[in-house]
Amino acid sequence: AQTVTQSQPEMSVQEAETVTLSCTYDTSENNYYLFWYKQPPSRQMILVIRQEAYKQQNATENRFSVNFQKAAKSFSLKISDSQLGDTAMYFCAFMKPDATSGTYKYIFGTGTRLKVLA
Amino acid sequence: DAGITQSPRHKVTETGTPVTLRCHQTENHRYMYWYRQDPGHGLRLIHYSYGVKDTDKGEVSDGYSVSRSKTEDFLLTLESATSSQTSVYFCAISGTNGPPNTDTQYFGPGTRLTVL
Repeated sequence: AQTVTQSQPEMSVQEAETVTLSCTYDTSENNYYLFWYKQPPSRQMILVIRQEAYKQQNATENRFSVNFQKAAKSFSLKISDSQLGDTAMYFCAFMKPDATSGTYKYIFGTGTRLKVLA
Repeated sequence: DAGITQSPRHKVTETGTPVTLRCHQTENHRYMYWYRQDPGHGLRLIHYSYGVKDTDKGEVSDGYSVSRSKTEDFLLTLESATSSQTSVYFCAISGTNGPPNTDTQYFGPGTRLTVL
């Protein structure tokens, strides 16, 4: 069974600094996708970034980038120039297609609570 | 943002009562999901649907049932609520037109359910 591990329950970073959130996963699949979601105090789950496993190039979305190491099964999120609005819970998620139903099954990590300090 | 609403947004109920949560989407997406979020567990899949009247169980389906009679609505029912079902419930949807539409899930605002 697939598992997703986020080993940092809480982190803090000074405003304008860079922070990296770690995520490791365990799978025997070759075709899968990885995601980072942000959950601010409003509780809304917001997609931050998405990575296809077959792509070697790391995904980037503005100040957010990932370091995807497929062999090591590692998918870390780097936030550059941290802003107060980045304060949130961050969830790493692994997804693979389900051959039976045609849908996609997500496995979520337990989250990292990030606080950006002024 | 994907058009997903959940109702009610908050509910307090008593043990043993039935509860139904509703997820409504305006995106015409094929796939719909119900998750629960609890501290220390992240999000866990309860049930999902891959089409009208097509549903299947997730990892924590005991005590829950679902129905999907039309594309836009996915109902989650707790037949007899228990205190262990106190949680925040999220609905999610994903589409059918190939990546990234099919593989990216978009979430509703969540429903906080308290079972006393």
